[in-house]
Amino acid sequence: EPEVTQTPSHQVTQMGQEVILRCVPISNHLYFYWYRQILGQKVEFLVSFYNNEISEKSEIFDDQFSVERPDGSNFTLKIRSTKLEDSAMYFCASNQAADTQYFGPGTRLTVL
Amino acid sequence: SQQGEEDPQALSIQEGENATMNCSYKTSINNLQWYRQNSGRGLVHLILIRSNEREKHSGRLRVTLDTSKKSSSLLITASRAADTASYFCATDNNNDMRFGAGTRLTVKP
Repeated sequence: EPEVTQTPSHQVTQMGQEVILRCVPISNHLYFYWYRQILGQKVEFLVSFYNNEISEKSEIFDDQFSVERPDGSNFTLKIRSTKLEDSAMYFCASNQAADTQYFGPGTRLTVL
Repeated sequence: SQQGEEDPQALSIQEGENATMNCSYKTSINNLQWYRQNSGRGLVHLILIRSNEREKHSGRLRVTLDTSKKSSSLLITASRAADTASYFCATDNNNDMRFGAGTRLTVKP
């Protein structure tokens, strides 16, 4: 069964550094999403992406964040200058239309 | 806020018992989804119920949706220790999906 994959599974970085989290959505999906989950807290929506542009973003998704689909398969989340509070699990998801979103296994980001 | 809110926040039961978790939300939805998350792991989709459906079954899972009350429930029958996890409802309005805080279910063997 096709699945969403994410790399790396764990990323450790120093405060102020840039990180890029990578996702490979399911191949025939058209909508892509990023969510984050701070340890012990709920899953929060960050951004949705369709037709090569952001379709919606939350208040969390400020100028430090950007998303890109650099080729036909990858979907990336970049954090320009990481802060301690960016430490969280980041989940990518994809779907075809207004239907079930399939989640990747997540990337655990630790900012020191 | 469109976010679903689950209750209870935590539920502890014995193996074999049924577990019921509830979710309430505030705005209109296209569908509502339930997810499961084992500690520190990813989200696993359990079931999707559309706004025009009232009940849906999948194995030991039963989900109900009452759009007039803006609430949903997830029932897990004959629970097993392996059902121990956090369960989240997520409201979906045209691909705008928002999660609740989750119910932490512990099933004791």
